[in-house]
Amino acid sequence: NAGVTQTPKFRILKIGQSMTLQCTQDMNHNYMYWYRQDPGMGLKLIYYSVGAGITDKGEVPNGYNVSRSTTEDFPLRLELAAPSQTSVYFCATLITDTQYFGPGTRLTVL
Amino acid sequence: AQSVAQPEDQVNVAEGNPLTVKCTYSVSGNPYLFWYVQYPNRGLQFLLKYITGDNLVKGSYGFEAEFNKSQTSFHLKKPSALVSDSALYFCAVRESGSGNTGKLIFGQGTTLQVKP
Repeated sequence: NAGVTQTPKFRILKIGQSMTLQCTQDMNHNYMYWYRQDPGMGLKLIYYSVGAGITDKGEVPNGYNVSRSTTEDFPLRLELAAPSQTSVYFCATLITDTQYFGPGTRLTVL
Repeated sequence: AQSVAQPEDQVNVAEGNPLTVKCTYSVSGNPYLFWYVQYPNRGLQFLLKYITGDNLVKGSYGFEAEFNKSQTSFHLKKPSALVSDSALYFCAVRESGSGNTGKLIFGQGTTLQVKP
């Protein structure tokens, strides 16, 4: 997984709660991405970053925020959790044209 | 619009038989194409990619894929399937016209079931 780690592995949230999904890579790569995976829908890009201090929206950014204060960390923030955010979340980094993914966080919002 | 299509939700094949998982794409310019595999409760693992060069690319675990520009396809193949190949397979293409961001567009995935 090219040194991409994600925490937590699993989380259950109540509607309206907030949380931060952590993503860390230890190989000093500039490009990082957050995806969500829903059954039968493939992966959808939420946010991405091309380097520290630079982030941009992907296809499905609503309800999420990101920051990139360091090259290593790219946290994804859910401010007011909704049932529609129940999903599996993957972080990825780009190495020589190829994205490599972390192990994922399975989030359930009840 | 840029897109990736995997026309089969599921492919069933007997162990030892050849397998094909289909992928077609729509993107402007020369495509960067990828295949990933996802085992249950795991992240996506990179299998292979086509950037340029030979239309037949070889990847991990004995998989290969054939790039066909005229048919805008990038089908994944393996000469002899194993039960352990059973997994969810994703085709992806790099988004064009977005600068050097490396963003990918994914197909919806195809479940490969290899039966003994």
